[in-house]
Amino acid sequence: QQQVKQSPQSLIVQKGGISIINCAYENTAFDYFPWYQQFPGKGPALLIAIRPDVSEKKEGRFTISFNKSAKQFSLHIMDSQPGDSATYFCAATYNTDKLIFGTGTRLQVFP
Amino acid sequence: DGGITQSPKYLFRKEGQNVTLSCEQNLNHDAMYWYRQDPGQGLRLIYYSQIVNDFQKGDIAEGYSVSREKKESFPLTVTSAQKNPTAFYLCASRNRGLAGEMSSTDTQYFGPGTRLTVL
Repeated sequence: QQQVKQSPQSLIVQKGGISIINCAYENTAFDYFPWYQQFPGKGPALLIAIRPDVSEKKEGRFTISFNKSAKQFSLHIMDSQPGDSATYFCAATYNTDKLIFGTGTRLQVFP
Repeated sequence: DGGITQSPKYLFRKEGQNVTLSCEQNLNHDAMYWYRQDPGQGLRLIYYSQIVNDFQKGDIAEGYSVSREKKESFPLTVTSAQKNPTAFYLCASRNRGLAGEMSSTDTQYFGPGTRLTVL
């Protein structure tokens, strides 16, 4: 299975709150899991990524949690800010040219 | 957006017409990609090219064609055979590692996109 399932489709969070986006996959050959952030009318940009040999990776307010046995990974945005309002895509790949993207989560952070 | 440019930003096409979307990169990347983005469907791969004069079909290649005559350019033609061409089209590029092999961790960099509307 090449799919990456992402949820929720949309998320509304108050400023200062925690935003959590979840993704699940089937293909155990996947060995790299990036998250992309996309602002309206722009192309996606790499936000943070993780390999399955670690359970967590943190960069500033953004953290990826990875559960290899459950084949799930999630993005946590701490202290969410209105500037974080964007669409977030999880993705997966395994040493090929193809990135398999989730369907995206539209995050809105209100002041 | 980096060193990837896409033009035009907005494009309108009449039904039955072919149209070509431009993608240029000055990152000296070997691989280039075309994606289609529709609301609620994420990014779907149309075509990709690992090297000049070579390209492969992605998941939704029907109704599209590409060429890769130069390393820095990867134009996409949306033909009249594409049944539902209205979408946001994204071009991306990616470099090979020092050993010349693709690695999972080689990041794809995206252009700003072209929004195509069929009238």
